[in-house]
Amino acid sequence: AQSVTQLGSHVSVSEGALVLLRCNYSSSVPPYLFWYVQYPNQGLQLLLKYTSAATLVKGINGFEAEFKKSETSFHLTKPSAHMSDAAEYFCAVSEGFGNEKLTFGTGTRLTIIP
Amino acid sequence: DGGITQSPKYLFRKEGQNVTLSCEQNLNHDAMYWYRQDPGQGLRLIYYSQIVNDFQKGDIAEGYSVSREKKESFPLTVTSAQKNPTAFYLCASSIPTGGIDEQYFGPGTRLTVT
Repeated sequence: AQSVTQLGSHVSVSEGALVLLRCNYSSSVPPYLFWYVQYPNQGLQLLLKYTSAATLVKGINGFEAEFKKSETSFHLTKPSAHMSDAAEYFCAVSEGFGNEKLTFGTGTRLTIIP
Repeated sequence: DGGITQSPKYLFRKEGQNVTLSCEQNLNHDAMYWYRQDPGQGLRLIYYSQIVNDFQKGDIAEGYSVSREKKESFPLTVTSAQKNPTAFYLCASSIPTGGIDEQYFGPGTRLTVT
């Protein structure tokens, strides 16, 4: 069975500071990993995905994530936070190979301090 | 513009009534999904359908029903048997991209039952 743990339900960073959102996964097969962003009362938008092609994945809005198999992690980072980054972020895992169901973490709400 | 439409945005019902949430997509995606989102719990899969006239239960299907008579449409009925129906409901569809299904989300319907 697959699962995702997001450490920290709330993270606050100052504008211009590094953003680091943590995600650890559990999967019985090599996983596919995703980060989604959700703005208030909206659907989810895909930020980036890992599909085994490269361990460092670049996404939209300056975000990137690194897949570390030894640490079973897929942390999301952005070098310099912007006020528009304030949102909720979800990490998700899929086992693929016909089992396309996504299992989501509980989310991390990111607040940007001016 | 291609996308996923969920209507209405906000829905209010009295306890004991069934209610149907609409989800329509014009992306020509084969697979469609329904998720429930509660604060602090992330997204949980209710039902999914990989092809017309076929659907499978997700992790929390009790008290819900679906149909998939057309490729474009995947309505969700919240029945009176669902004990805690108040939640934010998200519909998604997916298509294989680079070997993995990438899910696209609608804007969501917030259901309040009193």
